[in-house]
Amino acid sequence: AQSVTQPDIHITVSEGASLELRCNYSYGATPYLFWYVQSPGQGLQLLLKYFSGDTLVQGIKGFEAEFKRSQSSFNLRKPSVHWSDAAEYFCAVGPVTSGTYKYIFGTGTRLKVLA
Amino acid sequence: DAGVIQSPRHEVTEMGQEVTLRCKPISGHDYLFWYRQTMMRGLELLIYFNNNVPIDDSGMPEDRFSAKMPNASFSTLKIQPSEPRDSAVYFCASSDLQDNYGYTFGSGTRLTVV
Repeated sequence: AQSVTQPDIHITVSEGASLELRCNYSYGATPYLFWYVQSPGQGLQLLLKYFSGDTLVQGIKGFEAEFKRSQSSFNLRKPSVHWSDAAEYFCAVGPVTSGTYKYIFGTGTRLKVLA
Repeated sequence: DAGVIQSPRHEVTEMGQEVTLRCKPISGHDYLFWYRQTMMRGLELLIYFNNNVPIDDSGMPEDRFSAKMPNASFSTLKIQPSEPRDSAVYFCASSDLQDNYGYTFGSGTRLTVV
């Protein structure tokens, strides 16, 4: 069955420190993979996406993610975290059915940034 | 473009009342999605449309929920009658092939049923 797991519910980092948020998936073929960010009271904003090709994907706000097929992972990274990065981050995988737009979202990782 | 627009932002209603949530997708996007977000269940896909036609409504929890898309620029999600367990944040999102399958989400409607 297709699934996506974000093992860390909460992560706290100091401002300026590096960040890595984990995402593991279960999928029969090469999936489409996404990371979204949700600030309090807001909708989800697309950070980056992977379909094929280069396994290191660059996104907005200085984020990047690396697709590792052997580990079924798509971890999100940022070299230096800013206080404004405090938010909830969601990984998504799919499509659930080929040719559709139906994706599975992880349960999210809430990031806290210490000044 | 103003993005995906949802209204109202907040809705408080009494149990048993009808609730209608509204969504205006991004112009030119031919896919529209309704999601529900709760602490317990996370993000759940309720239904999605392609070119105004419902494609998959398997996530709609009960017959009390219904969704329509009468034209390319407007969709509604209706709950009748509403129950306290329907309290959640409801998101609308739209997408098209030009967006490479990523969604653009609205800011959501926070529904509280008392």
